[in-house]
This record gives sequence, C-alpha cells and structure tokens, in this order.
Amino acid sequence: DTGVSQNPRHKITKRGQNVTFRCDPISEHNRLYWYRQTLGQGPEFLTYFQNEAQLEKSRLLSDRFSAERPKGSFSTLEIQRTEQGDSAMYLCASRQGGFGSGTRLTVV
Amino acid sequence: ELKVEQNPLFLSMQEGKNYTIYCNYSTTSDRLYWYRQDPGKSLESLFVLLSNGAVKQEGRLMASLDTKARLSTLHITAAVHDLSATYFCAVDREGSQGNLIFGKGTKLSVKP
Repeated sequence: DTGVSQNPRHKITKRGQNVTFRCDPISEHNRLYWYRQTLGQGPEFLTYFQNEAQLEKSRLLSDRFSAERPKGSFSTLEIQRTEQGDSAMYLCASRQGGFGSGTRLTVV
Repeated sequence: ELKVEQNPLFLSMQEGKNYTIYCNYSTTSDRLYWYRQDPGKSLESLFVLLSNGAVKQEGRLMASLDTKARLSTLHITAAVHDLSATYFCAVDREGSQGNLIFGKGTKLSVKP
C-alpha cells in the first residue's frame, strides 16, 4: 500500500475518444507528479503540481493532454482524441507516498 | 540533458550467484533512487542514496553511489527466484522539483 491511489486500474478506449484518470494522494502531500511508462521502458515525467499549481510540463505533454489539481488535493489527467501511441501505464506519485498502482490505458 | 543509462538491460542468473547492475548518469544530481517493478505492477522504492559514498543494504540487495564517477551500483548477493523483476535507477535532476529521470531498467530473471 502506498499513499497514492489511482483509478481506474485499466481503461480500454477507442481511438479518438477522450479519457480521464484520477489520482488521490494523502491530503498533506503537496507535490504530485504524473509519469507515463510504455512497455519495456522506464517511466517518463509528464507534469508536476505543487499544491494546485502546475509548475512544470514535459515536452511529452502534447496539447491533447491536460492535468488539473483543484484545491491541491486529487489530480486528474485527461487525454483528448486518444491515439494508439497513447497506450501506456500512467503513474501518479507524490514525494512522500511513492508511486500509485497506475492506470493502464489501451487505445484500440 | 540528463541521461541515465543502465546495464545490463537483461540479466539471467542462477540462484545462489552474485551480480551487479550499473547505473550511469550524465550530470550532477541531488539524489539517486532504485526501484523494483514486477510485471503489470507499479514501482516499489528500494533505496534512496543521498551523498557520495552512500551505501544501503536490504536483504540480498546492496546499493552504492559514487557521485564523482556519476555511478551507482545495485549488487545482488546469492540471488533467489523471488528477486526476479525489473530494476530501475532514477536520478533527481539537480535543481529540479523532484521529477525523476529513469533508466530503461534491468530485467532480472533468476533461475533455479
């Protein structure tokens, strides 16, 4: 058990659809990170929040991706107009809580 | 640009043997992490190394850090099947806010 929970655990979607993932860290975790991991690779940094402020975004985060953290608590990651290349494990992490169990996205 | 390279990428060992996984990184860093990942699962933190010469041990795994050489090692002693997993090293980019740069991972398979 880590201090970060994610849902859903798995998501299968058709190409072109929008998807949203949720990350819930323990409330006092002020720094929250999103990573993406494709098969056979290490996780790659996507974006980071300090409380509700999104302070850094990777070049990997195209304009189809948006992340929010209203009120500095839970965070959502939305992918619009999904493409097959978006298929990956999306991991959320906090400094104190480690990595969540991830959401595995499959775009068909 | 900070790069993290691990080798080997694949490692097949027999139970009872010793081996070392290497992690090189290209620029200065505040700290180095080792993680374990089982298939289909998330990452489990193994070690955080904070300073030059740091050495940490947990069971059959021992990690060390040489910041001058920009090198960390993960040594496996008397491997057992339960250690089969993928091991990642990651570096906290100096001056960053904690976002990590990961190596590609070393897939370890321990055979009886």
